[in-house]
Amino acid sequence: GENVEQHPSTLSVQEGDSAVIKCTYSDSASNYFPWYKQELGKGPQLIIDIRSNVGEKKDQRIAVTLNKTAKHFSLHITETQPEDSAVYFCAATTPLNQAGTALIFGKGTTLSVSS
Amino acid sequence: SAVISQKPSRDICQRGTSLTIQCQVDSQVTMMFWYRQQPGQSLTLIATANQGSEATYESGFVIDKFPISRPNLTFSTLTVSNMSPEDSSIYLCSVGQGAGQPQHFGDGTRLSIL
Repeated sequence: GENVEQHPSTLSVQEGDSAVIKCTYSDSASNYFPWYKQELGKGPQLIIDIRSNVGEKKDQRIAVTLNKTAKHFSLHITETQPEDSAVYFCAATTPLNQAGTALIFGKGTTLSVSS
Repeated sequence: SAVISQKPSRDICQRGTSLTIQCQVDSQVTMMFWYRQQPGQSLTLIATANQGSEATYESGFVIDKFPISRPNLTFSTLTVSNMSPEDSSIYLCSVGQGAGQPQHFGDGTRLSIL
């Protein structure tokens, strides 16, 4: 089955710097790659996603890149702010059946942005 | 995106008892899933809640321990049965509209077993 590796496990940056989190996946059939931000006491919040027919997607300060050949995808946050501090999870879908898919999550990255 | 409400938000239970967690969505959704997040860990899929039929469980999770209901397209329940301290976790409901579509999560139920 699908396996998702995420690095680094912790990341500390200064406000205004960029942050990059990387994930690799094992199942070449995976075709959807979301990123979630989880703040303390909350459920994961979808912040950006990418499908396998796209190489890059941007949404303001957040971007995701996908390299299908190498089976890795990355989250890029520019101009980081203290409110970006949270745990970030990458995920990949593995087909369950014709009706839908399930998410396989990486182990998470704790991002700390200091001002 | 859909608004997902989970109840209870947290509970402290005695070992050997059972607790039913509810997940209510404000619109009809195709897929509903239940995940477990152990303290400081990532999310693990427990099962897919299928409307009108038995849930589909992942390896390591069984119906006797985690019975699931999904009577309609907006509601599901997860029961954690015969609880032990190892069941202390956050239990999360997520919803989606199908293959390759975004999934959105509720805020979870924080469960502690004494």
